[in-house]
Parts: sequence; structure tokens; C-alpha cells
Amino acid sequence: GQQLNQSPQSMFIQEGEDVSMNCTSSSIFNTWLWYKQDPGEGPVLLIALYKAGELTSNGRLTAQFGITRKDSFLNISASIPSDVGIYFCAGQLAETSGSRLTFGEGTQLTVNP
Amino acid sequence: GAGVSQSPSNKVTEKGKDVELRCDPISGHTALYWYRQRLGQGLEFLIYFQGNSAPDKSGLPSDRFSAERTGESVSTLTIQRTQQEDSAVYLCASSPWTGDGYTFGSGTRLTVV
Repeated sequence: GQQLNQSPQSMFIQEGEDVSMNCTSSSIFNTWLWYKQDPGEGPVLLIALYKAGELTSNGRLTAQFGITRKDSFLNISASIPSDVGIYFCAGQLAETSGSRLTFGEGTQLTVNP
Repeated sequence: GAGVSQSPSNKVTEKGKDVELRCDPISGHTALYWYRQRLGQGLEFLIYFQGNSAPDKSGLPSDRFSAERTGESVSTLTIQRTQQEDSAVYLCASSPWTGDGYTFGSGTRLTVV
């Protein structure tokens, strides 16, 4: 099945530092999404990307949809303790029926105060 | 309701027993999805409902898994003759159309002992 490779698997940073994580795919997506999941909760949508090359910001978060449509990155600037959690990329295949999302394995972010 | 509601939040069952998980989507959302999340992993698609169309069951891992949805309301995911490898968090999500940006519930944590 479709695979999304997300890296890094985990990150340990100091408060105030910037963070970058990315996802790559062997197939084209027409939508890329980034989610954050806190313990015991479902994922919450952070940013949605719809066009190749699109760069979108949401506060301290910035994400880009790769030109090849096979990759995306998420940057978090000036990290704060509440950024702790698991970040997932998700893609929607161009040819899929419905709106099934394929998820990456997640990046566990730890922010030390 | 204001969000996607799932019940129970936790379920411990003995191997071989059947379990039923419930999802109440956001009112008016026509699309409903079930995903499975094993510990430390990403989300794995199970099944998708869109209005009165035939559901996309292609993600169900075996014939022990089934799901029903009544119109555009409640859905139940049933796992028969549970096995230990069924232990996971089962997440439900809904969206207003077959687009992106689902809203997830908090999930049901299933433990098979």
C-alpha cells in the first residue's frame, strides 16, 4: 500500500528553538495535511495544503507542499512547551475514491523549558 | 454535537469476545471514517462512509471487522472474536463532504487480554 516516510521519528529541543520535520511519498498527492496529536486525544488539523509549491502559515507554523507533489515539510518557529506532542503528515492520493488519508508514522516532539 | 463523540473511551475485553465501538459524528457531516492507531504508530484507514453510497471497506483487516452507519448519523464498528493484535486506539472522524480536514474523536482504546 501507499507509504509515507516521515522524519525525524523524534526530536528533543530547547524552548525557543525552531523545528523542522518532513514527509516524502513514492506517489503523488493532491492534498497534504499536518496534524498534531496530544496524549489521549485524536489528531487535530494544523495546516492544509492544496497546490504544489504552496507555502502556508498558521501562527508559528509554516508548511509547504512540494513542487513534485511527493513531499511536504512543517516548520515550527520559537517552540514553546505546549508544542509537545506527536505531529503527523497525511496525504490524499490523487486517484483515491472518497477522502481517505494516508498518514505518516509521526514525529514525537519534546520541548524542554 | 459540538464534536465527534466516541464511546466507550476505554474497553478491556477477553480474547475471543466481540466488541462494539460507537461513533457520533458532528451533526450534518455526511462523511465518516474509522481509523486504527497501534501504539507508537500512525493511523491506519479502516472504512469510510459517505451519505447513502456504498461504504469503502477496503481497509478492514479481516472479516472479523465490520461497520454500520445509519444514514448520516451514528456508526458502530464491530470486532468479532477479538485477538490480542486488535489492541489499539480506534479513531472515528467526520467531515462535511468528501474533502479534507476531518474532525477526529478522542478514540476508543481497546485492550484485548
